[in-house]
Amino acid sequence: ETGVTQSPTHLIKTRGQQVTLRCSSQSGHNTVSWYQQALGQGPQFIFQYYREEENGRGNFPPRFSGLQFPNYSSELNVNALELDDSALYLCASSDPTSGSTDTQYFGPGTRLTVL
Amino acid sequence: AQSVTQPDIHITVSEGASLELRCNYSYGATPYLFWYVQSPGQGLQLLLKYFSGDTLVQGIKGFEAEFKRSQSSFNLRKPSVHWSDAAEYFCAADGPGDSNYQLIWGAGTKLIIKP
Repeated sequence: ETGVTQSPTHLIKTRGQQVTLRCSSQSGHNTVSWYQQALGQGPQFIFQYYREEENGRGNFPPRFSGLQFPNYSSELNVNALELDDSALYLCASSDPTSGSTDTQYFGPGTRLTVL
Repeated sequence: AQSVTQPDIHITVSEGASLELRCNYSYGATPYLFWYVQSPGQGLQLLLKYFSGDTLVQGIKGFEAEFKRSQSSFNLRKPSVHWSDAAEYFCAADGPGDSNYQLIWGAGTKLIIKP
């Protein structure tokens, strides 16, 4: 059973650019959540996808968008990057039907730096 | 508003000493509660979780946590810490019955181990 993987590990962009981050869920998990973790803070919920549909969104602007694919892998897209978008972006997968309700398993994250 | 508070930004303990990390929550009903650990450059690893039932929960790596409804607390404990326990610890909560499994996080407590 493979865990959650994310790519790339690190990324440097400049203000105004667009970025795509990728996540592969743990095998059998149909739900993916994305979090932003700024330095020295706890993660902040961005949004969640369940079976390719957005299933909840945190307090993030529309320039943060996502996709989930039929194999349950996922992308996070951020347009018009701002300096404050510099953070560790974490992906977590879960399977609400497995009996382990609400247990999310995290990938190692993508460190995004916006210059 | 729902919130999770970790009152201690950092804690220093000697190797072999006991540890208690504090977590308080504010929710309308008893939430599901989690403790995660994050080592430098790593993703978040689930230590333990509480959904219902026995208020003393055992986790991995020798950690345990006790849910106290009267104090709205879910403190993490370990009888004897090892140098490898140095990391950042996050408490998180999710409201039961929430449809989108959104985790609300504390700001984290950084654990420093003195030799």
